[in-house]
Amino acid sequence: EVQLVESGGGLVKPGGSLRLSCAASGFTFSGYSMNWVRQAPGKGLEWVSSISSSSSYIYYADSVKGRFTISRDNAKNSVYLQMNSLRAEDTAVFYCARGRGDYGEVDYWGRGTLVTVSS
Amino acid sequence: EIVLTQSPDFQSVTPKEKVTITCRASQSIGSSLHWYQQKPDQSPKLLIKYASQSISGVPSRFSGSGSGTDFTLTINSLEAEDAATYYCHQSSSLRTFGQGTKVEIK
Repeated sequence: EVQLVESGGGLVKPGGSLRLSCAASGFTFSGYSMNWVRQAPGKGLEWVSSISSSSSYIYYADSVKGRFTISRDNAKNSVYLQMNSLRAEDTAVFYCARGRGDYGEVDYWGRGTLVTVSS
Repeated sequence: EIVLTQSPDFQSVTPKEKVTITCRASQSIGSSLHWYQQKPDQSPKLLIKYASQSISGVPSRFSGSGSGTDFTLTINSLEAEDAATYYCHQSSSLRTFGQGTKVEIK
């Protein structure tokens, strides 16, 4: 069974940093791209970042470019999102999601971790 | 950035009614369009991939069509459990999501 478990969310002050982790199991992690998608309270889904299976290709939404960094460790079956210079508008549930290839559908999602940016 | 615009934003329907949700892309994306269902306090669930391809375990009343810039998600004979927000998502150029369509059961 495919499982994606996010961790690392919490309350942080504006300008602060946070590192999210996603632990994957139930599939060959190194064979899939991984994504972070966020959802602000009461709002829709917003794609944040993607990383290819071997980390060769990395993409970011304009809203986080230069502030967020995605990475993965295939030996630990994990993907990470380092978030710096956080703003109030970054407050959201962050989902880790598996991608089918670099341009395919996102087929499995974690339960999400809540990030709250507030003073 | 490719913008996806869904219509309507909200729909209130009775059980057994047919539901149609459209998604329009700001430029051609071929068939790289996928549909998701999200119920309150749950993660999104993949319903349809590549515009019209079915997903194992998803009820057959869900179907998709379209290509290029215009796409449709159809729910035939709506059931109470289908109350949710539905999102389209493109993977042709980076990734974006539509704003969502909330389906309420009357």
